Amino acid sequence: AQKVTQAQTEISVVEKEDVTLDCVYETRDTTYYLFWYKQPPSGELVFLIRRNSFDEQNEISGRYSWNFQKSTSSFNFTITASQVVDSAVYFCALSEEETSGSRLTFGEGTQLTVNP
Amino acid sequence: DTGVSQDPRHKITKRGQNVTFRCDPISEHNRLYWYRQTLGQGPEFLTYFQNEAQLEKSRLLSDRFSAERPKGSFSTLEIQRTEQGDSAMYLCASSLGQGTGNTNEQFFGPGTRLTVL
Repeated sequence: AQKVTQAQTEISVVEKEDVTLDCVYETRDTTYYLFWYKQPPSGELVFLIRRNSFDEQNEISGRYSWNFQKSTSSFNFTITASQVVDSAVYFCALSEEETSGSRLTFGEGTQLTVNP
Repeated sequence: DTGVSQDPRHKITKRGQNVTFRCDPISEHNRLYWYRQTLGQGPEFLTYFQNEAQLEKSRLLSDRFSAERPKGSFSTLEIQRTEQGDSAMYLCASSLGQGTGNTNEQFFGPGTRLTVL
């Protein structure tokens, strides 16, 4: 069965610090997709990134970067030079296209607080 | 381009009443999903549609829950005989499914917050 674990329930940092959010997943499929979503205090989930299981290249988008390692079943998310606006709950999610349609299985989320 | 919209945004009801929520997906998206999110948890999958066909339902979706997408556009989620345990945020998402491209990220609506008294 598919499962996503975000062991860090809450993280608090001071502005401009770098912060890494951990995500570990379990799946029996060979084809799967990993996602990160941001949920700010307003409540709406905002898509950040999608990665498929055959593409282990790390990705950087501005201050955001993602490290996908199949060997450890991890898909970690780093925010560089954090800002107060980054404060939100961040969810990692997994989709197994073959065995469970395209539904997303979410982790429990990491509450990130960036203090000025 | 408008995103996913949901109506109502908030609903307060008494236990035992029926409620219905509506979701309008992004217009070109053929897949539509319903999730439920309780406080402090990640969203949990309920059901999804590809066009008008309901392809998967979670075991979370008891007999009191029913969802429809009659013309492959908007969808409704009805909860009959609501219970206090149904109190949650109900999220709708849409995406482009297989055969229409390589993107299947889901875009979420603002949710409907249900409170059952």
